[in-house]
Amino acid sequence: NAGVTQTPKFRILKIGQSMTLQCAQDMNHNYMYWYRQDPGMGLKLIYYSVGAGITDKGEVPNGYNVSRSTTEDFPLRLELAAPSQTSVYFCASSYLGQRSLGETQYFGPGTRLLVL
Amino acid sequence: GENVEQHPSTLSVQEGDSAVIKCTYSDSASNYFPWYKQELGKRPQLIIDIRSNVGEKKDQRIAVTLNKTAKHFSLHITETQPEDSAVYFCAASIRRGGGNKLTFGTGTQLKVEL
Repeated sequence: NAGVTQTPKFRILKIGQSMTLQCAQDMNHNYMYWYRQDPGMGLKLIYYSVGAGITDKGEVPNGYNVSRSTTEDFPLRLELAAPSQTSVYFCASSYLGQRSLGETQYFGPGTRLLVL
Repeated sequence: GENVEQHPSTLSVQEGDSAVIKCTYSDSASNYFPWYKQELGKRPQLIIDIRSNVGEKKDQRIAVTLNKTAKHFSLHITETQPEDSAVYFCAASIRRGGGNKLTFGTGTQLKVEL
């Protein structure tokens, strides 16, 4: 298993440009998440999905959109890039059963985004 | 929403000493508490977790304790080694409806000195 994969590893965007950060997992996990990590800070949840076709906002969703058309893929879309979106973006996945109180979230390697 | 506070922000110990990192959470309904280790430029990786139905869990040199009454949990690393140097994050989550969202602390930079 490749686990959680993310592309690209690094990207420079100009203000106002758009891009999609790709995330895929091959562990048949039902839950997927997008976090951002600013320098010296913890991770903040942007969006998450509990299954194909179902997404919900996290703590910092403004400026981002997501979709989940398949179990494996969970892309994150930035429509109008702003300098405040300069960050490292991590995708994660986990499997939660009906009675689980919480399960391990497995993180991808991250995408470093610089908006100038 | 949930708020997680983590202390200290930096911690320096001598090799072989113990290290303790403490976190508090605000929502008494939180029921899952993982700890992640993140090396520079790498992804966070789970090192240990605890659920609200237990008070302590140990895995070799690492242990986590949970005090639900006081709403705090702690990470204990014994016999520290240089490879333990990293940033450690605590997190808390609540399983409500279809969601299981983690709220992270701001991290502790642990440095193990020779």
